[in-house]
Amino acid sequence: AQSVSQHNHHVILSEAASLELGCNYSYGGTVNLFWYVQYPGQHLQLLLKYFSGDPLVKGIKGFEAEFIKSKFSFNLRKPSVQWSDTAEYFCAVANAGGTSYGKLTFGQGTILTVHP
Amino acid sequence: NAGVTQTPKFRILKIGQSMTLQCTQDMNHNYMYWYRQDPGMGLKLIYYSVGAGITDKGEVPNGYNVSRSTTEDFPLRLELAAPSQTSVYFCASSYEVTGGYNEKLFFGSGTQLSVL
Repeated sequence: AQSVSQHNHHVILSEAASLELGCNYSYGGTVNLFWYVQYPGQHLQLLLKYFSGDPLVKGIKGFEAEFIKSKFSFNLRKPSVQWSDTAEYFCAVANAGGTSYGKLTFGQGTILTVHP
Repeated sequence: NAGVTQTPKFRILKIGQSMTLQCTQDMNHNYMYWYRQDPGMGLKLIYYSVGAGITDKGEVPNGYNVSRSTTEDFPLRLELAAPSQTSVYFCASSYEVTGGYNEKLFFGSGTQLSVL
């Protein structure tokens, strides 16, 4: 069974600091990769996704993530965080195609707190 | 545009009681999912459905049952509540994309359940 590991449970930053949240997965086949975000009091929502092509993908609100196949990683980055980025971030992986029906396996989540 | 609607938002159950968590979506999505979120554990898939009349087990199905009589509704039933079922429950839905690729999940706002 595949698994997803997020390196940090809680990250605390000041505004304008750079962000990198780690995500590693264990699955040897072709995968689809996602980052979801849950802002306080809001629904989980898609931040960005990777299916194929350019391994550097850009999402909403200035976030980007890089898929490094050799490292089984899909780290999330943002050059300069804002207070409004305070949220919980989830990495997720799905087996590509087949009979998996796109079921997602989620990581444990990383809480990001940004101080003004 | 309501999206995915879950009820109730909060519930306290006694051990051995039963209840149904309701989930409905108005986007005509074929795929629907139930996840539970435990602190530090990420989201675990309980059950999923690929269309009306079709359901299947996810990663942690024990103690739960589901049904899918219509495209819109996907209720989750707890028959004999146990303290281990204390969690936050999320319903989600998605489009079916060619090849089974899951483009994006739409989440409900969650149900916080405590079993005492």
